[in-house]
Order: sequence, then C-alpha cells, then structure tokens
Amino acid sequence: EDQVTQSPEALRLQEGESSSLNCSYTVSGLRGLFWYRQDPGKGPEFLFTLYSAGEEKEKERLKATLTKKESFLHITAPKPEDSATYLCAVQAYFSGGYNKLIFGAGTRLAVHP
Amino acid sequence: DSGVTQTPKHLITATGQRVTLRCSPRSGDLSVYWYQQSLDQGLQFLIQYYNGEERAKGNILERFSAQQFPDLHSELNLSSLELGDSALYFCASSVEQGRLGTYNEQFFGPGTRLTVL
Repeated sequence: EDQVTQSPEALRLQEGESSSLNCSYTVSGLRGLFWYRQDPGKGPEFLFTLYSAGEEKEKERLKATLTKKESFLHITAPKPEDSATYLCAVQAYFSGGYNKLIFGAGTRLAVHP
Repeated sequence: DSGVTQTPKHLITATGQRVTLRCSPRSGDLSVYWYQQSLDQGLQFLIQYYNGEERAKGNILERFSAQQFPDLHSELNLSSLELGDSALYFCASSVEQGRLGTYNEQFFGPGTRLTVL
C-alpha cells in the first residue's frame, strides 16, 4: 500500500538552530514529491516539487532533497516566522492512467526567539 | 494568496442537514480537487474534476457529492451530516489533469471550516 511517513511529528527549535525534517515513502513508482507549508487554519502553501532522486531545491532558508526512499527538508538558521506544519506529498499512480497525491501527516515546527 | 477561492469560510450546522461548499480555481486551471482535513486523519483526497468531468474518486462517502460547472467552479455537497463530518474542507486546483507522465502541482484554497453540532 502506498504510504508517506513524516518525522518527527513535532519539532521545537531555537531561532538560528538548523535542523531537518524527514519524509519517507513507499509507493509503487514515484512520480514526483511535493513539499507544502501549512499555517494553522489555512490552506497548504506550495513550496517545492522534486522530480527524481538526487534533485535539490532551495527557497530562502529551506532546502529540499530527494533520495529513492525519502526526502529531507533542511531548515537553516530558522526564524519564528518559519513556524508552521510542513507537509510532504508524493504523486503516485491511482487508476485509469491518472496520478493522485498522498499526503503525510506533517511535522509541526515551532521556532522560538 | 494561491488564487483559489472558497466560500464560505466557516459553516456551522446541525446533524442531518445538508450543506454546499463552493470553490473557484486559479485562472487557467482546469482541475479541481477536494480534500478533507481532520485532526486525526490528515489531508484526505475526496474527489477530482477536470474540465467538468469526474476524474478520480478517493475516500468520498456516498453522502457526499461534487460537480464542476462550465465556468470551472466546483461545489461539494455534504448531506445527512454527522458529527464526524466536522473538519476543514479544502479545494485545490492545477493545470494538469493528473495523467501519468505529468507533475501535478496543486494549489490550495483557504478552506471551509465545517462544524456539525
């Protein structure tokens, strides 16, 4: 069964303390991996698409990497405004020639001054 | 702002009632997706429409239905509501219809918070 697991469930950092979030997946034929940021009560905000193993993408203090079994979201010198839930989603085969997104449960990140 | 709009923002209703949630996709997007997000379930895919036609069905209950209109806006109808239907309902849109070989970046609206009392 296609599955996406994110760890840790929650992470508390001091401002400036770099760390990484993990997204591991088991899907029958990965067709892209996506990272989203979600603030409480808001819709997920698209961050990155990673297309194949070895790929990296960067945006401000965030850097996403992809291997054959997992993806990491590295946060360098985080600020309080980086506090949010980070969601990982993999694009997997659904049926009838179409893909679907399977979301992980997310990592709740809190960055304290 | 993703460009996806949803109304209403909040909805409070009673068990057994029926409600309609509305979504307008980003300009140029033909696909609309509906998701349910509850505290214990995470984001669950419900259904996808592409250019007016149903494309894919996920974990959508028989009490729920959706449609996409010629102007591409979509409505999600929830009937015979139960307490467990209380959740955030998100609409997302994308350019692609999700065929194999394409990358389906989806952009989410702000959501509708449904509370069933």
